[in-house]
Amino acid sequence: EPEVTQTPSHQVTQMGQEVILRCVPISNHLYFYWYRQILGQKVEFLVSFYNNEISEKSEIFDDQFSVERPDGSNFTLKIRSTKLEDSAMYFCASSERPNTGELFFGEGSRLTVL
Amino acid sequence: AQKITQTQPGMFVQEKEAVTLDCTYDTSDQSYGLFWYKQPSSGEMIFLIYQGSYDEQNATEGRYSLNFQKARKSANLVISASQLGDSAMYFCAMREINSGYSTLTFGKGTMLLVSP
Repeated sequence: EPEVTQTPSHQVTQMGQEVILRCVPISNHLYFYWYRQILGQKVEFLVSFYNNEISEKSEIFDDQFSVERPDGSNFTLKIRSTKLEDSAMYFCASSERPNTGELFFGEGSRLTVL
Repeated sequence: AQKITQTQPGMFVQEKEAVTLDCTYDTSDQSYGLFWYKQPSSGEMIFLIYQGSYDEQNATEGRYSLNFQKARKSANLVISASQLGDSAMYFCAMREINSGYSTLTFGKGTMLLVSP
């Protein structure tokens, strides 16, 4: 069964360092997303991406964040200068269509900022 | 106001029993979708079931069914014949078509514990 894959599964970084989280969406999906979940809290939307550009972003997704699809398969989330409060589980997701049906999540990348 | 409300922080059920996890939602959109996800202790988000606002029949997927009551704005998840492996956090989520088609808004979740 096709799945969304994410790397790394866990990353520990120092405050102020840049972090890149990688995702490989399901191959025939066109819509890609990043969500995050701070420990013990609910899952929050960060950004959606379609046709090589951001289609929506939340207020959490400030100038420290960026997304990119550098090639035909990878979808990355970059945090330029990490803060303690960026510690969370980051989920990549993809879907075939934008407004109906299933949204498939990866297993998540746990980011710990020290 | 909360868009998705899950009033049960935790639920206990015995193996082989059925359990209902509550979810109510708030939207002024006519077109929306409702989702349930399972998050085991390992952390991944597993899609369980989807209900579109215009679907006339309640969605079912194996042991999962969604009790969709549009007038009450509720989308409860029913798990029949609970198994030990069902122990996990369960999240209800909504996607509003007119208010941002790609954004899923999640509830705070319900922790389900299945005992032998």
